[in-house]
Amino acid sequence: EAQVTQNPRYLITVTGKKLTVTCSQNMNHEYMSWYRQDPGLGLRQIYYSMNVEVTDKGDVPEGYKVSRKEKRNFPLILESPSPNQTSLYFCASSWGMRGDSPLHFGNGTRLTVT
Amino acid sequence: QKEVEQNSGPLSVPEGAIASLNCTYSDRVSQSFFWYRQYSGKSPELIMSIYSNGDKEDGRFTAQLNKASQYVSLLIRDSQPSDSATYLCAVKGGSARQLTFGSGTQLTVLP
Repeated sequence: EAQVTQNPRYLITVTGKKLTVTCSQNMNHEYMSWYRQDPGLGLRQIYYSMNVEVTDKGDVPEGYKVSRKEKRNFPLILESPSPNQTSLYFCASSWGMRGDSPLHFGNGTRLTVT
Repeated sequence: QKEVEQNSGPLSVPEGAIASLNCTYSDRVSQSFFWYRQYSGKSPELIMSIYSNGDKEDGRFTAQLNKASQYVSLLIRDSQPSDSATYLCAVKGGSARQLTFGSGTQLTVLP
């Protein structure tokens, strides 16, 4: 089954404790992206990657890191999480940013930082 | 000014009615426009895309684009309770690398 898999689904952590949210897709997609979703603010892009070893900042990259060492994986790293990073996170992938290429989203990771 | 703006709602319509969802965008060179549906607690899913001025129909859904007015809309005919969800407008700008989402409109279809 074609899918984007995120783990974990739920995560509660404390301020400053490094964490990684994994994302993997099995569709051989070139493009992958991370979004955060907050009430009233919609989906905001954190980082994206056009291909292996090619990453770029989105609209809200502060406090986050990513890597793209393999085509299928695109982990999101929070080196020192803070409470304002409490949010719902989505990983997404597509064939590319062609107009007819829909984004496939993972099931989301709900992160709480205390 | 937000790049992509939607009325947050909530918008309530009776079953069988037409639901009209609106979206405006600020980047005049935007090229591609999308509507995603997101059920509560779920991830967004693409329901419509439109690239040219005019209307595009797919089943009960019609997307309308007016680039001169920087306006895109989604009409849902014969609305069903299963259409109750948040609808996200997304716009791909001139850079062709970023997709910008609006904050979404919450739609409730009343039985």
